[in-house]
Amino acid sequence: GDSVTQMEGPVTLSEEAFLTINCTYTATGYPSLFWYVQYPGEGLQLLLKATKADDKGSNKGFEATYRKETTSFHLEKGSVQVSDSAVYFCALTASNDYKLSFGAGTTVTVRA
Amino acid sequence: GAVVSQHPSWVICKSGTSVKIECRSLDFQATTMFWYRQFPKQSLMLMATSNEGSKATYEQGVEKDKFLINHASLTLSTLTVTSAHPEDSSFYICSATNPRVTLETQYFGPGTRLLVL
Repeated sequence: GDSVTQMEGPVTLSEEAFLTINCTYTATGYPSLFWYVQYPGEGLQLLLKATKADDKGSNKGFEATYRKETTSFHLEKGSVQVSDSAVYFCALTASNDYKLSFGAGTTVTVRA
Repeated sequence: GAVVSQHPSWVICKSGTSVKIECRSLDFQATTMFWYRQFPKQSLMLMATSNEGSKATYEQGVEKDKFLINHASLTLSTLTVTSAHPEDSSFYICSATNPRVTLETQYFGPGTRLLVL
C-alpha cells in the first residue's frame, strides 16, 4: 500500500539555520505530495504541495521538489525563525478517493 | 476561506457514556469530510471517510458501531463515540475538501481532545 517515511525528530535548530526534513514515499500510480504543518495548539495547515514529477512547491520560504527518480519530497528552508517551530507532516494521496497517507511527523524547535 | 471548525475542543466524560463531536465547514460546502485519530507524538490515522447523504466508509480495524459518523448536510459531519472507554481517549481531527477548489487538498479542523475517565 501507499506509505510515507519521514525523518524522525525531534529537530532543534538555532534561528537562521538551514532546515531540511527528509521524506520518501511508496505509492502505486502517480501520487500528489504534500507537506502539512501543525503549530502548537492548532490544527494542521497545508504548507505546500506538488502534483507531478519535478514540480516544486513553495510557501513561507519553504520548498520541496517532487523527485520521482528517488521517490522523495524533502522539505527545506534556508533560514528558519522561532515561529517555524511546529510539527511537520509529509503526506501523499494516490487514489481517486483522495485519502491522505501521512508520515509520522517531525517536531522542529527553533531557538532564538 | 476554507475554514473548518470542531466542537467541542475539549471533552471529558465518564466511561460508558457517548460523546458527539461536530465538524463544520464554515465558508464552503464540503461533499467529503474525513475523520482522523492522533495519538500523542504520532501521526494521523484515518478512521473514516464521510460523504454527504451517504454512509461513511470506515478504514480497516475501525468499529463502525463504536464510531458513528453522520454527514447530514454539506457543512456538518458528526462523530459519535458510543459507550466510550479510556482506550478511546485521543485527539480526534476532521478535515474537509472543497470541491470548488480541488478535491486533493484537505482543510483540517483544530481537533477535539477526548479524555475518558
